[in-house]
Amino acid sequence: AQKITQTQPGMFVQEKEAVTLDCTYDTSDPSYGLFWYKQPSSGEMIFLIYQGSYDQQNATEGRYSLNFQKARKSANLVISASQLGDSAMYFCAMREGGYSTLTFGKGTMLLVSP
Amino acid sequence: GAVVSQHPSWVICKSGTSVKIECRSLDFQATTMFWYRQFPKQSLMLMATSNEGSKATYEQGVEKDKFLINHASLTLSTLTVTSAHPEDSSFYICSATNPSSGGPPNEQFFGPGTRLTVL
Repeated sequence: AQKITQTQPGMFVQEKEAVTLDCTYDTSDPSYGLFWYKQPSSGEMIFLIYQGSYDQQNATEGRYSLNFQKARKSANLVISASQLGDSAMYFCAMREGGYSTLTFGKGTMLLVSP
Repeated sequence: GAVVSQHPSWVICKSGTSVKIECRSLDFQATTMFWYRQFPKQSLMLMATSNEGSKATYEQGVEKDKFLINHASLTLSTLTVTSAHPEDSSFYICSATNPSSGGPPNEQFFGPGTRLTVL
């Protein structure tokens, strides 16, 4: 079974609207961390937001928030007020236990239109 | 900060030659570095985990004799693609963990990537 599943290959959103990018995960380890990264066409990986399995509140970072539903094993990224510069590939990734290795999902390509 | 650099940013080589890619942590000491490979429009695939002063741990299916990894210091890891062939053409990304970053546990800081094209 895939550890990280991103079911949306591509998403379109209009500028200034909010968009949700889906991510579900699979782990039996009670301690884990979930990361979202943005990868523009230049290729660099930009860290957006992190949610730890024991964190009581959903993570927020500026226009980014993480809708963490532990029982459903989902960690969706919400981008509010989309901007043209948000057009990029978005990856969800998971770290399990005390290990530092990351498992990445297949990614979602987000296109923001004017 | 936690800045990771890679050199070169892109390289074109002939089939059969070897190519070395450097990954440096510029403002921190990285005990662990990672090497990823990314094909166009696909996800990052972990190739190996590199710990300073010890042999790299390769993921299943990655040829250790073809992709030589050396982590000789706390700020430098190198990936050498030996006898490169066109199918080795890909985007190679390194990352490093900074235990002192104060951010998420085991957060990885990524280099800008190296685009390898083998003719």
